[in-house]
Order: sequence, then structure tokens, then C-alpha cells
Amino acid sequence: QSALTQPASVSGSPGQSITISCTGTSSDVGGYNYVSWYQQHPGKAPKLMIYDVSTRPSGVSNRFSGSKSGNTASLTISGLQAEDEADYYCSSYTSSITVVFGGGTRLTVL
Amino acid sequence: QLQLQESGPGLVKPSETLSLTCTVSGGSISSSYYYWGWIRQPPGKGLEWIGSIYYSGSTYYNPSLKSRVTISVDTSKNQFSLKLSSVTAADTAMYYCARLGSYFRNMDVWGQGTTVTVSS
Repeated sequence: QSALTQPASVSGSPGQSITISCTGTSSDVGGYNYVSWYQQHPGKAPKLMIYDVSTRPSGVSNRFSGSKSGNTASLTISGLQAEDEADYYCSSYTSSITVVFGGGTRLTVL
Repeated sequence: QLQLQESGPGLVKPSETLSLTCTVSGGSISSSYYYWGWIRQPPGKGLEWIGSIYYSGSTYYNPSLKSRVTISVDTSKNQFSLKLSSVTAADTAMYYCARLGSYFRNMDVWGQGTTVTVSS
């Protein structure tokens, strides 16, 4: 299975909004509403930020939102804060009953 | 509060078998709502799903690792384990265990991770 495609890096200034894309195929992202997003700070375990394309777990800021169109899912972070600087990974369930991750996107808050 | 803790050797020789255990505390591994999985992250690289298991013993593996991976569960000890055979330097990584929801989505509880280095 091939990794989902994410931009290597994105950046934004405090208060701005950024969007990270995650492109797959009809066998994963496009075929199921089971896309998740994870935030990982250096030296830490990943943290679930969004699941089922757009559902936020309890305790996750509403500045984080998710969406999907066709084979591409997106994570939007509004009102950027310094603490949002981290690596972000998408994942999707696949038709082969497996999980595939994206390559990861480094978010820099300028 | 549910917690997961990985344990196992931090150094494995090439061609040998990597063995890790994840101990679940604060909840039952036999819950019908969840799966349990292993994810790894080579130094400076992204996340890779290794495989998942249900408390009944049903397993699901990454096709690229399937020939070398075995994941098992011990409900009496509230633990699940990973064995990866014939390791090479490419298997050097941080190994995480995690709880997964149905369809392997929402990996909502993660262990802190354990570093495994493959070297002679």
C-alpha cells in the first residue's frame, strides 16, 4: 500500500489559518469516511485531533477542523497559535482492511 | 484512565527477532469496541502502521511487513505483543502501541513509545 500524500511543510503566522491536504485513492480516503489526523510534537507520541473526517475528540480545540472531497482530505487550523507548531499526519482505513498513514507535514508558526 | 506501556529490549541484533509487549492498564483489553495496534516511526521519518489485533485474536497486518510480523494477545494479562523476525537496520525505530476504534480509526490512546535499535 502506498502512503497518503501530504505536503512536506506548511507555515503560517499567529492568528492565521492554514490547511493541510492528504491525498489518497478511491481505495482509502475516497472510499471511506474513516480519515483521522494526528498531531505530534518532538519527542512525544502522536495525539488524535480529528477522526471520521471531521469529528473532534473531547478536549481538542474547535480551531481544528477536517473535511474531505473525493480522494483528498484536509485539516484546517484556524487562529494559529505557537503551540500548534508540530508534525501532522493523516491516516485512512483501506479496502484491504489495513491502515495507511500520510508522510507527515511539518507546521511552522512564523 | 486507560494507559498503555510498551516494554522490551532496546537493542536487537540483525537477523534476530524483535519482541515487544504492550500492557494495558485502567481498562480491559477484552472490550468489544476496540482494536489494539502497533505503529512505528524510524528516526526522522513518518508513522507506519504495523498491524492490529482484536481481543478474540483476529489479526490484520501491513502487507509490506506481513511475512515477518506476528501480533498476539493475552487477555489474562491484559497485554498484547509484537514479534518482528529477521530484523535489519531498517527496523530501527520508535515503536508505539495504541488503542484503535472500529475500522482502525481514532487511535485515541497511545503508549509513550519504546526505541528499538537493530545493531550488532
